[in-house]
Amino acid sequence: GDSVTQMEGPVTLSEEAFLTINCTYTATGYPSLFWYVQYPGEGLQLLLKATKADDKGSNKGFEATYRKETTSFHLEKGSVQVSDSAVYFCALTNFGNEKLTFGTGTRLTIIP
Amino acid sequence: NAGVTQTPKFQVLKTGQSMTLQCAQDMNHNSMYWYRQDPGMGLRLIYYSASEGTTDKGEVPNGYNVSRLNKREFSLRLESAAPSQTSVYFCASSAQGSPLHFGNGTRLTVT
Repeated sequence: GDSVTQMEGPVTLSEEAFLTINCTYTATGYPSLFWYVQYPGEGLQLLLKATKADDKGSNKGFEATYRKETTSFHLEKGSVQVSDSAVYFCALTNFGNEKLTFGTGTRLTIIP
Repeated sequence: NAGVTQTPKFQVLKTGQSMTLQCAQDMNHNSMYWYRQDPGMGLRLIYYSASEGTTDKGEVPNGYNVSRLNKREFSLRLESAAPSQTSVYFCASSAQGSPLHFGNGTRLTVT
């Protein structure tokens, strides 16, 4: 079946550091790929998405590129802020349905 | 602009007790979902409902039942709670082809 493998956390960075959170997937067909973010005490919110190979999703300074050749969708941000501290989930859907398959999540803490 | 509303926010049960988690959405979405979130395991789908009147099992349905009462509401019932059901439960909804919108979760502890 479909699966998502995420970089193990937790990740701790200093403010203004460069961020990469790795995500790779296994799926048949042509999945859509997502990054969701969960702030403390809240539900998940969509951060960005990409629906086909070579698409780049971006939002709030975060970017991720759908790489079919490496089955990856790594999340990057050039300069992180304390407010980016959260748990980040990589996810996919397949065959046109909305059911999401999630990775295990990566907890990110940014220190001033 | 409420979105997806879950009640209660917190609940403690003893083993064998029953309870129902409530979820309502005001976005006129057809599809609704129940996920559980456990450390190191991400979110796993318990049940989903593609439209009013239909429900289907997800990845981890054992020990749960659901009811899609109408288009707005999708409840999750634990008939006889077990410690393994200690988790954070999230309800979500979506329209066709659109991303999921999540509620803020219910933190359940079974002792």
